[in-house]
Amino acid sequence: QVQLQESGPGLVKPSQTLSLTCTVSGGSISSGSDYWSWIRQPAGKGLEWIGRIYISGSTKNPSLKSRVTISVDTSKNQFSLRLSSVTAADTAVYYCARDRVTLEYDAFDIWGQGTAVTVSS
Amino acid sequence: DIQMTQSPSSLSASVGDRVTITCRASQSISSYLNWYQQKPGKAPKLLIYAASSLQSGVPSRFSGSGSGTDFTLTISSLQPEDFATYYCQQSYSTPGTFGPGTKVDIK
Repeated sequence: QVQLQESGPGLVKPSQTLSLTCTVSGGSISSGSDYWSWIRQPAGKGLEWIGRIYISGSTKNPSLKSRVTISVDTSKNQFSLRLSSVTAADTAVYYCARDRVTLEYDAFDIWGQGTAVTVSS
Repeated sequence: DIQMTQSPSSLSASVGDRVTITCRASQSISSYLNWYQQKPGKAPKLLIYAASSLQSGVPSRFSGSGSGTDFTLTISSLQPEDFATYYCQQSYSTPGTFGPGTKVDIK
């Protein structure tokens, strides 16, 4: 079965770039009906979709668009998130998730366990 | 962005109770509505997609209904493992937005 695992630094300094990678196992990241998303959750708060990538491109949350880069490495079965110019407001648990898309629905059906990122000097 | 609201924000219930959570979208989202369950320290888990379709492996005591702007998640008989926070999420338009969550705890 498909599993996702986030990796990356747990501490990032303000104004720097947060970089995370999600490794997909048990299936191909190139599957035609699947998109791959990043979602975050500040401590004690709700969920915010950051963006997603698919083979032909990416889509980002307009509220973060100028700071977000999402890329995919099909040879490693990984996708990555870069968030530039971070501030304390970017401190959160970051999740990667499979975004299963059909004509009838679009849902995050598989999630990584999440990785906590703190922005602090 | 489409705004999602949930009610109540929290509720206390007993094992065996029937529980209903409501989600409302700021505009029509057809049936592009998903429900997730999240336990402390864990990733969310998909329960219901397309408003009323039960995700594989999810117990049948969970059900979803609604279309347009108003949706409900029902747990027919609350079990000890169901105490968690529940989120709705619209996937009708980008960005896919989540509701603020409903925390279900033990009475």
